[in-house]
Amino acid sequence: QVQLKETGPDLVQLTQTLSITCTVSGFSLTTYNVHWVRQPPGKGLEWMGAMWNGGGTDYNSAFKSRLSISRDTSKSQVFLKMNSLQTDDTAKYFCARSAVQPHYFDYWGQGVMVTVSS
Amino acid sequence: DIQMTQSPASLSASLGETVTIECLASEDIYDILAWYQQKPGKSPQLLIYDASSLHTGVPSRFSGSGSGTQYSLKINSLQPEDFASYYCQNGLSAPLTFGSGTKLEIK
Repeated sequence: QVQLKETGPDLVQLTQTLSITCTVSGFSLTTYNVHWVRQPPGKGLEWMGAMWNGGGTDYNSAFKSRLSISRDTSKSQVFLKMNSLQTDDTAKYFCARSAVQPHYFDYWGQGVMVTVSS
Repeated sequence: DIQMTQSPASLSASLGETVTIECLASEDIYDILAWYQQKPGKSPQLLIYDASSLHTGVPSRFSGSGSGTQYSLKINSLQPEDFASYYCQNGLSAPLTFGSGTKLEIK
């Protein structure tokens, strides 16, 4: 069955870099897109960016200068890296799947809660 | 970027009531709109796609409608498990923006 699972740190120091891995199963990264979505505590959902099935990426301009998304298709993994973390980056980070078009998120990981500490 | 304006931000209703949540896109999104339900501590779950199509396993008391820039989610005969937060989402083109959410609470 389709599954996505995020793994990453609980705590990141201010100004440091966040790295999270999304490991997927039950589908191919060359057939579906994988997105990153985050949610600060008590707030709404924010789309961060996508790894398209063809290997290209797209980013929310709010993060563009410090966010990088990559993948390893042989390991069925998608990676998020974001540098220069601030306290308002404290959030739950989700990876989610969409078909090639349109971009609806039909499966989600359980998310990883990341706290940025000073 | 397409902005999604969702209302109301919160809603209080009783079991068995019918409620409607609205979502306004800043430009025509050609019905490429999804609705999600999220319960506390859980991941969002897809409810409706293409503005009005029910995702697999979603009860028929949920329905979506709208076109162009205006969309709505209607929940008939509220059940205890429906009290949650709801989000609309532009699925047309990146950036894939969400509405700000509606928290549905029991009156």
